[in-house]
Amino acid sequence: GENVEQHPSTLSVQEGDSAVIKCTYSDSASNYFPWYKQELGKGPQLIIDIRSNVGEKKDQRIAVTLNKTAKHFSLHITETQPEDSAVYFCAASNNAGNMLTFGGGTRLMVKP
Amino acid sequence: DSGVTQTPKHLITATGQRVTLRCSPRSGDLSVYWYQQSLDQGLQFLIHYYNGEERAKGNILERFSAQQFPDLHSELNLSSLELGDSALYFCASSVSTSSYNEQFFGPGTRLTVL
Repeated sequence: GENVEQHPSTLSVQEGDSAVIKCTYSDSASNYFPWYKQELGKGPQLIIDIRSNVGEKKDQRIAVTLNKTAKHFSLHITETQPEDSAVYFCAASNNAGNMLTFGGGTRLMVKP
Repeated sequence: DSGVTQTPKHLITATGQRVTLRCSPRSGDLSVYWYQQSLDQGLQFLIHYYNGEERAKGNILERFSAQQFPDLHSELNLSSLELGDSALYFCASSVSTSSYNEQFFGPGTRLTVL
């Protein structure tokens, strides 16, 4: 089955700096890669996603890049703000099962 | 608010007991997914139902079962509970079965087994 590795497990940045979180996946059949943000006491919330036929996608301060050959994808957050502090999860899925396989999570702390 | 509701929010029970967690998907969503979030295992997929039928199973224990009813709400039944079953249980819903459909997560049920 699919295996998703995520790094780093914790990340501390100063407000205004950029943050980068990296994930690798093992199943070449995976075709959809969402990123979720989970705040304390809440369920994960989708912040951006990318399909396997796209190399990069941006939404304001958030961008995701995908390298299918290397089987890795990354989340980039620019101009970080204290409200970006949360746990971020990458995930992968394919049409065979529809389930999301999640990475281990990254706790992002943005210091004002 | 994702539109997915889960009850109860918290559940405290004893080892060996049985509990039922309930999930109502977003209006119009036919797919329901259950995930378990624990400190040591992270977020893990348990099971997927689409329009009342089981579509995929993940690392779900035999002591656990689920179903989706005609009104599309779903229940996750956990029996012969063990200390290690203590976790957050999330339900998510999506429009259909495509992997491209966003899965919307509910607020979760925190299960504590004493």
